[in-house]
Amino acid sequence: DAKTTQPPSMDCAEGRAANLPCNHSTISGNEYVYWYRQIHSQGPQYIIHGLKNNETNEMASLIITEDRKSSTLILPHATLRDTAVYYCIVRVVNDMRFGAGTRLTVKP
Amino acid sequence: GAVVSQHPSWVICKSGTSVKIECRSLDFQATTMFWYRQFPKQSLMLMATSNEGSKATYEQGVEKDKFLINHASLTLSTLTVTSAHPEDSSFYICSASRLAGVGGELFFGEGSRLTVL
Repeated sequence: DAKTTQPPSMDCAEGRAANLPCNHSTISGNEYVYWYRQIHSQGPQYIIHGLKNNETNEMASLIITEDRKSSTLILPHATLRDTAVYYCIVRVVNDMRFGAGTRLTVKP
Repeated sequence: GAVVSQHPSWVICKSGTSVKIECRSLDFQATTMFWYRQFPKQSLMLMATSNEGSKATYEQGVEKDKFLINHASLTLSTLTVTSAHPEDSSFYICSASRLAGVGGELFFGEGSRLTVL
């Protein structure tokens, strides 16, 4: 099954865009890319997902490269409440397996 | 959006006792629910996949006789930690899919923190 690679941690200034990268070089054609985040001691929160095309919703944008081997989650105007661990997941069949994620710290 | 609720949100029990955690999908039917365990400063680890009306599928290394999963209806799955020991202390999280297949969202509960004394 495909795995993902994310940087362990990132910092971002409040009000700036946070760009979180994810590598998934072994992704297969029918596998979706999902992004979730987890704020301390809470369940993961869905952010966005996509297959091939770029996606945008009220929380974030997802940019997937043409070869689908990597993607970037963009939080356009990060706030302090966006501090969390962000997980990039390639979904295999029906379940969802988490990697180590990126700990994003938004600083004032 | 869809909501998945867990109960209790935290529980403290004595070693040797059993603890049941409930996971409910509040506004949708979930044919499949998933159970995860998370230790401090670690990522979520998938424990088992729970299908309504059938036996759960456990991940390698997860003891099925210790972690009993029952998915009796389309809105309720339960995880029972039997004969709990201090090493079972962890954050247990369930999730449910509103749509069958890969393309649907997976919604997570708030988690249940178990402390075994």
